Amino acid sequence: AQRVTQPEKLLSVFKGAPVELKCNYSYSGSPELFWYVQYSRQRLQLLLRHISRESIKGFTADLNKGETSFHLKKPFAQEEDSAMYYCAPSSGSARQLTFGSGTQLTVLP
Amino acid sequence: DVKVTQSSRYLVKRTGEKVFLECVQDMDHENMFWYRQDPGLGLRLIYFSYDVKMKEKGDIPEGYSVSREKKERFSLILESASTNQTSMYLCASSWSISGNNEQFFGPGTRLTVL
Repeated sequence: AQRVTQPEKLLSVFKGAPVELKCNYSYSGSPELFWYVQYSRQRLQLLLRHISRESIKGFTADLNKGETSFHLKKPFAQEEDSAMYYCAPSSGSARQLTFGSGTQLTVLP
Repeated sequence: DVKVTQSSRYLVKRTGEKVFLECVQDMDHENMFWYRQDPGLGLRLIYFSYDVKMKEKGDIPEGYSVSREKKERFSLILESASTNQTSMYLCASSWSISGNNEQFFGPGTRLTVL
């Protein structure tokens, strides 16, 4: 069965500190991997995808196929990064997403 | 700018009622999806559609059905609402193009079943 695990439900860091949100997946084949973010009172939106290998809002995510992990990292957290973050592999006929349970990140001043 | 709209932001229904949730997208996307979002469980896929009149079950289809008569519209139907269907329902849409299948989400409908 396809599974996505985000082990931390809640994560708090101080402004300026590094942050890492963990994601492990168990998937057949080679899924595309995404991080989605939901800021307070806003829609869920794409943060980044592994195939583009880009940095968005200072966040990066490295796909480690050996460990089947796709952790999200940022070297210096900002208060505006406070949000709910979801890791989501994509596969299937409509490239449907399987979401992890999410990590609520709070960046403290 | 992609727009996904949902018919209601808040909805209160009684047990046993038939409930319709509507979703419309304006970007000619082939794929449309219905999720429910619950604290601690993340988003779970209920049903999806990759073309007009085509539908496939997601991970938790029990108690739900869907309809896609037009490309831009995807409806979620609760035939007989139950209290355990109280949740936030999110609609999304995407293209089928490989490498460009970002999903765009609607604002959500918070359904309460009494």
